[in-house]
Amino acid sequence: ETGVTQTPRHLVMGMTNKKSLKCEQHLGHNAMYWYKQSAKKPLELMFVYNFKEQTENNSVPSRFSPECPNSSHLFLHLHTLQPEDSALYLCASSQEVGLAGPRDTQYFGPGTRLTVL
Amino acid sequence: KNQVEQSPQSLIILEGKNCTLQCNYTVSPFSNLRWYKQDTGRGPVSLTIMTFSENTKSNGRYTATLDADTKQSSLHITASQLSDSASYICVVSPLNDYKLSFGAGTTVTVRA
Repeated sequence: ETGVTQTPRHLVMGMTNKKSLKCEQHLGHNAMYWYKQSAKKPLELMFVYNFKEQTENNSVPSRFSPECPNSSHLFLHLHTLQPEDSALYLCASSQEVGLAGPRDTQYFGPGTRLTVL
Repeated sequence: KNQVEQSPQSLIILEGKNCTLQCNYTVSPFSNLRWYKQDTGRGPVSLTIMTFSENTKSNGRYTATLDADTKQSSLHITASQLSDSASYICVVSPLNDYKLSFGAGTTVTVRA
């Protein structure tokens, strides 16, 4: 295990539902990330938090709302999603944003497989 | 256009055989290049990391090479095992940007 956990592992929701994804890291890191992984496409960065402050919102639609209450926990709140939002959502953590070399290694959680009906 | 291109998109090999995966990138300047392994239903896990000045890095049966002049990297898997079945992702870290550039991955299937 990488030290990053995500719940739930699978989620099926209708377009009118509201749900939340949870990520927790046990590595003492200060940076956390949300990525979207669609089939046969590169990972897409969604949000970045460094020391609980959001440093990146990569033009993500407002139906995705992140929350980072502390350096160990990250949430992604979902509401009124579209079928094209179905994907694997990966959380990652690293020591902190801006470090170079091996210290910028990101450790990924197992992901949440989201299906929007 | 993606700055990291991987080939082939997928391949099937027999257990015990070798294979080589390719990664071409345009990210410049860059800090380091990583290969990640992603098993089905799991997140990516770092296999190797190379800085721009390194030519090769090994991790067990995995050997990564880097040619910074041609902006190419390869991942060689020796004596493949069934557990090597996974997606392998090439990831480049730009020098002055924390945002990583990901390839779309190569899916490797090892058959008995």
